[in-house]
Amino acid sequence: EAAVTQSPRNKVAVTGGKVTLSCNQTNNHNNMYWYRQDTGHGLRLIHYSYGAGSTEKGDIPDGYKASRPSQENFSLILELATPSQTSVYFCASGEGQEGTQYFGPGTRLLVL
Amino acid sequence: GQQVQQSPTSLVLQEGENAELQCNFSTSLNSMQWFYQRPGGSLISVFYNPSGTKQSGRLTSTTVIKERRSSLHISSSQITDSGTYLCAMGTNTGKLTFGDGTVLTVKP
Repeated sequence: EAAVTQSPRNKVAVTGGKVTLSCNQTNNHNNMYWYRQDTGHGLRLIHYSYGAGSTEKGDIPDGYKASRPSQENFSLILELATPSQTSVYFCASGEGQEGTQYFGPGTRLLVL
Repeated sequence: GQQVQQSPTSLVLQEGENAELQCNFSTSLNSMQWFYQRPGGSLISVFYNPSGTKQSGRLTSTTVIKERRSSLHISSSQITDSGTYLCAMGTNTGKLTFGDGTVLTVKP
């Protein structure tokens, strides 16, 4: 069974602070993704990666950076958090265009 | 405009009734998937269905790529089917674009 974990599960941050969300997968998938989900909406892609050392911009990358130091780990970084970044963030891994994506449990971020 | 349109936005059923959820895409796609999400929960893949019809228990998915649409049929709904159903279209880069979901409520 696919295994994607995220930490922290809940985070309260202050405006202007730095936030790092972490994701780990044990599926040995090449691709990893970061999404955000706002109330009543589907998921929107922030950044993704094709493998260690690579990061690509998704549909809404502004205000976010990503880091993929290894096959297993993919981080999302908010250098200067803003209240508009309050959301639920999901990480996923997958093999690319063939096959499904496997999602982590999500991180609830509140920026005050 | 939104690339993935789901309908209906919400649906309330009595237990035992059938449900038909629709997903329409405004651009060409390589694949599509259906996901299920409990309130406050993560996403669970229900179907990876790039084309044709697939069935799993009471759930059936039909995708017609050239018509840019997919449907999810739930037969004999149960209370535990309640939640949000999301469809997503995939491109040849592996990226997914999601619809806003259909919130299904099944009442006893």
